[in-house]
Amino acid sequence: ETGVTQTPRHLVMGMTNKKSLKCEQHLGHNAMYWYKQSAKKPLELMFVYNFKEQTENNSVPSRFSPECPNSSHLFLHLHTLQPEDSALYLCASSFYPSGTSGEHNEQFFGPGTRLTVL
Amino acid sequence: AQKITQTQPGMFVQEKEAVTLDCTYDTSDQSYGLFWYKQPSSGEMIFLIYQGSYDEQNATEGRYSLNFQKARKSANLVISASQLGDSAMYFCAMREFDIQGAQKLVFGQGTRLTINP
Repeated sequence: ETGVTQTPRHLVMGMTNKKSLKCEQHLGHNAMYWYKQSAKKPLELMFVYNFKEQTENNSVPSRFSPECPNSSHLFLHLHTLQPEDSALYLCASSFYPSGTSGEHNEQFFGPGTRLTVL
Repeated sequence: AQKITQTQPGMFVQEKEAVTLDCTYDTSDQSYGLFWYKQPSSGEMIFLIYQGSYDEQNATEGRYSLNFQKARKSANLVISASQLGDSAMYFCAMREFDIQGAQKLVFGQGTRLTINP
């Protein structure tokens, strides 16, 4: 495997279900991110982990629970979701610290998990 | 207030023509970075090009170039000799740093580019 992988690619769940999204990066990065992409809205940053420590939680509802057991793996645990949580969930990784503006240090994205909440 | 603005929801261009995708940004930081990503229908965000705020020259990467006008706070993407495979969503993003030095990307709404044969 290369780059950033995400599983599953598609997920349909009911509002009472509990599921988890998985992300794995094979790039040697030490920062990982969860983004939410809803229809007709810009990508929204949800969580940031640097060196396995969460440094950002963008006012995300508690029904989304991230977990980062090591610098290569990132999970997003889902429970009692709402239909409006249906979206594409993208994982990304990069190096940390990010350095100066002169360095690219772009984030590499996975293919996403298309989540539908019924 | 929106930090990244992409005013073109959709663009239609003939194959082999050049196309410019607009992006304006808003920041009070002196040090920042601007990115363009491409998102095909498969969903993955693909990095295209980067411009640092202190870079004196416009960035170029193959057929992609960035028209960076710092005073106007614009960072337009230019794609030369467009190809059918260029059809996708294109996102402009600005990098911000939190107090711990971690980077965050703030994205615009995107522009859907369609290349016609």
